[in-house]
Amino acid sequence: EIVLTQSPGTLSLSPGERVTLSCRASRSVTSDLLAWFQQKPGQAPRLLIYGASTRATGLPDRFSGSGSGTDFTLTISRLEPEDFAVYYCQQYATTSYTFGQGTTLEI
Amino acid sequence: QVTLRESGPALVKPTQTLTLTCTFSGFSLTTTGVSVAWIRQPPGKALEWLARIDWDGDKYYSTSLKTRLTISKDTSKNQVVLMLTNTDPSDTAMYYCAQISHYDSSGTFDYWGQGTPVTVSS
Repeated sequence: EIVLTQSPGTLSLSPGERVTLSCRASRSVTSDLLAWFQQKPGQAPRLLIYGASTRATGLPDRFSGSGSGTDFTLTISRLEPEDFAVYYCQQYATTSYTFGQGTTLEI
Repeated sequence: QVTLRESGPALVKPTQTLTLTCTFSGFSLTTTGVSVAWIRQPPGKALEWLARIDWDGDKYYSTSLKTRLTISKDTSKNQVVLMLTNTDPSDTAMYYCAQISHYDSSGTFDYWGQGTPVTVSS
């Protein structure tokens, strides 16, 4: 099973700032089959990025994903108030899907 | 449009079997490349994938829970059922179902239901 470790656990930031979230895999994620989800309180997760760098339909271009192999990042170029949430990475390179433990962005 | 809705008991007693149903619309689980999965989230904790069933009937389970999980589908009703046996308070969580389209979309959890909360307690 691929273990995903996200860092940091919590980030305290202000609207307008740039942020980079990290996701490190215990072994290489084949074909960069790595996704990012956003979850707000009381809501189901929402797919943001798949294939490490492809934005989901309708996602603002201030969100971008990058990385390959074992190291992946999600960058938000300029935080909007609605971006404060929990972010999870997830690998789907194996049929034993796994999620990271999440990074909380707080104002 | 694609929608999914989870249903099941809100409260189960320890050692009982939990049965959850995912009822969906906007797609067919007979379409090549389509799957439905279950994911859960204990209060205040991270997401955990549980199981997946594919359009061709193939099934996949979480390694840590595979002896307790059974996933099945009823394509005529557009439903996927998850059974979890021998429940324990650690199974208390929000349970989500989600759709995967392997070939013409992301290949991972594109659409999610709103979740159904389950508490395991005597």
